[in-house]
Amino acid sequence: DIQMTQSPSSLSASVGDRVTITCRASQRISGYLNWYQQKPGQAPTLLIYVASSLQRGVPSRFSGSKSGTDFTLTISSLQPEDFATYYCQQSYNTPYSFGQGTKLEIK
Amino acid sequence: QVQLQESGPGLVKPSETLSLSCSVSGASISTYYWNWIRQPPGRGLEWIGYIFHTGSTSYNPSLKSRLTISVDTTKNQFFLNLRSVSAADTAVYYCARSWELSPLDYWGQGALVTVSS
Repeated sequence: DIQMTQSPSSLSASVGDRVTITCRASQRISGYLNWYQQKPGQAPTLLIYVASSLQRGVPSRFSGSKSGTDFTLTISSLQPEDFATYYCQQSYNTPYSFGQGTKLEIK
Repeated sequence: QVQLQESGPGLVKPSETLSLSCSVSGASISTYYWNWIRQPPGRGLEWIGYIFHTGSTSYNPSLKSRLTISVDTTKNQFFLNLRSVSAADTAVYYCARSWELSPLDYWGQGALVTVSS
């Protein structure tokens, strides 16, 4: 099974900050890495797919990148609505697996 | 607009079977993979498994011995049955759509299932 290691587990930041969340796969997953945002009491929503493609309707301040088995989600300028929990997920092979999540909190 | 909606009992007794259904609107269930994912309170996401309209399935090995996912194409619904549940199966259960190598692009709102006597 493919393990996804996500870091950090929590992050405090201010509105306007640039933040980066990282996800590392335990083996090659090509570019089949997706990022989701989850707000309390809500289902996750898709932000980025295939490492760097922005889902329709997602603001352009969100971006994703890949370097080998390391993947990064960047939010270029945090907005109040961005404070949430973020998960990575590999869709390369079943069982699909998620990272442990990163809770982004207001500093 | 694709919509998914989970339904089923919110309380299940230990050792019994957890049964949920997911109704799909705005898309034919005869395309795509149809997934179940769960999230214990305050914790992360766990992929349970998926089904294709042909009945072909893929299950998480950690749950495979207790799990059945089925589909009813005439009703545009798919189903989760998890046998011999314990308190560790208490979670919000989500249904979601995907395709091969693709993300989970549409999700239901989730259904909280508590396992307790």
